[in-house]
Amino acid sequence: ETGVTQSPTHLIKTRGQQVTLRCSSQSGHNTVSWYQQALGQGPQFIFQYYREEENGRGNFPPRFSGLQFPNYSSELNVNALELDDSALYLCASSFDRVRGSGGAGANVLTFGAGSRLTVL
Amino acid sequence: GESVGLHLPTLSVQEGDNSIINCAYSNSASDYFIWYKQESGKGPQFIIDIRSNMDKRQGQRVTVLLNKTVKHLSLQIAATQPGDSAVYFCAETLSRRALTFGSGTRLQVQP
Repeated sequence: ETGVTQSPTHLIKTRGQQVTLRCSSQSGHNTVSWYQQALGQGPQFIFQYYREEENGRGNFPPRFSGLQFPNYSSELNVNALELDDSALYLCASSFDRVRGSGGAGANVLTFGAGSRLTVL
Repeated sequence: GESVGLHLPTLSVQEGDNSIINCAYSNSASDYFIWYKQESGKGPQFIIDIRSNMDKRQGQRVTVLLNKTVKHLSLQIAATQPGDSAVYFCAETLSRRALTFGSGTRLQVQP
């Protein structure tokens, strides 16, 4: 059973550019969540996708957008990059029997290792 | 590896001692709580969870205590080992759709 994989692991962009981060969910999982983790802080919820539809969003502007594909993999897109977007972006997958039910028990979220974005 | 947190509160313990990491959560309506461990260069890893209808849950070498009256969680690690060195986060949720993470505590285990 493979875990959650993210790419790229590191990247550097300049202000105003656009970035796409990719995530392959764990086998058997149908829900993907994205989190932003600034240095020295806990992860912050960006949004979640369930069966290719957005299923909840945190306090992030519309320039943060996402997609989920039929194979449950996902992309996070950030437009018009700002310096404060520099962070570790974490993808997490889970299995939800119904929309919004959340996982139960030990495997509610499985996180990837993240993509470290630096904006100069 | 990459540093998870440069200025986090730090708990330093001797190998073999017990560790207690505390967390104050924010939403009194939260009904599910999780502790995660994050090592440098890795994503958060599930340790143990607890529902709001419980006040204690035990796993292998770990125990989580929940005090809803004061909105406080603690993680107890028995016989702490060097491999336990990491940053520990508590997380709370109501909707199961989004986790709200605390700011984290760095645990350093001295050999």
